[in-house]
Amino acid sequence: QKEVEQNSGPLSVPEGAIASLNCTYSDRGSQSFFWYRQYSGKSPELIMSIYSNGDKEDGRFTAQLNKASQYVSLLIRDSQPSDSATYLCAVANNDYKLSFGAGTTVTVRA
Amino acid sequence: SQTIHQWPATLVQPVGSPLSLECTVEGTSNPNLYWYRQAAGRGLQLLFYSVGIGQISSEVPQNLSASRPQDRQFILSSKKLLLSDSGFYLCAWDSGTRRAFFGQGTRLTVV
Repeated sequence: QKEVEQNSGPLSVPEGAIASLNCTYSDRGSQSFFWYRQYSGKSPELIMSIYSNGDKEDGRFTAQLNKASQYVSLLIRDSQPSDSATYLCAVANNDYKLSFGAGTTVTVRA
Repeated sequence: SQTIHQWPATLVQPVGSPLSLECTVEGTSNPNLYWYRQAAGRGLQLLFYSVGIGQISSEVPQNLSASRPQDRQFILSSKKLLLSDSGFYLCAWDSGTRRAFFGQGTRLTVV
């Protein structure tokens, strides 16, 4: 079983719609959760971090964490063409490692 | 503010040649440093991490090595490159919070 799993997509959404990305993780001891955005050919960029159960909002992005279900999600509201990218879910445990999912590719249709 | 520099941006090397990729961080002290590799269409694979000068932990046994000669400098090396070493190499740092920030990456093609 992979440590961090994401739907690979592609996820295609119309401009202005909500994009919903999901991530599950296997280690119940995981403590920190992150979402990165990676444009094609570029390095990942940190866009959200969440540490406790519930929702965390930052602009058009909302991260949701449910530790009991070992599930973390990212919502992108009012999706824009500039949101077209691959989104990586990352999970940190007590050690120094960040475990990454393979990423979900999002395409926003104008 | 903190910045991370990684170079070169692209590299084409023949099989059997050596490799040296360098990464430096500015604006912070005693960062945790990481080397990741990303194969085409794949997620990030952690190769090495370091919590201090001279302290290197290897995650995957392979044809690569890492060194940290200075607090904010991290170097990825190989004595002889293999075709399978091709990929996108990413250096990252964090201040202990696991909020990792990445350099621009080096796209390595071994031919």
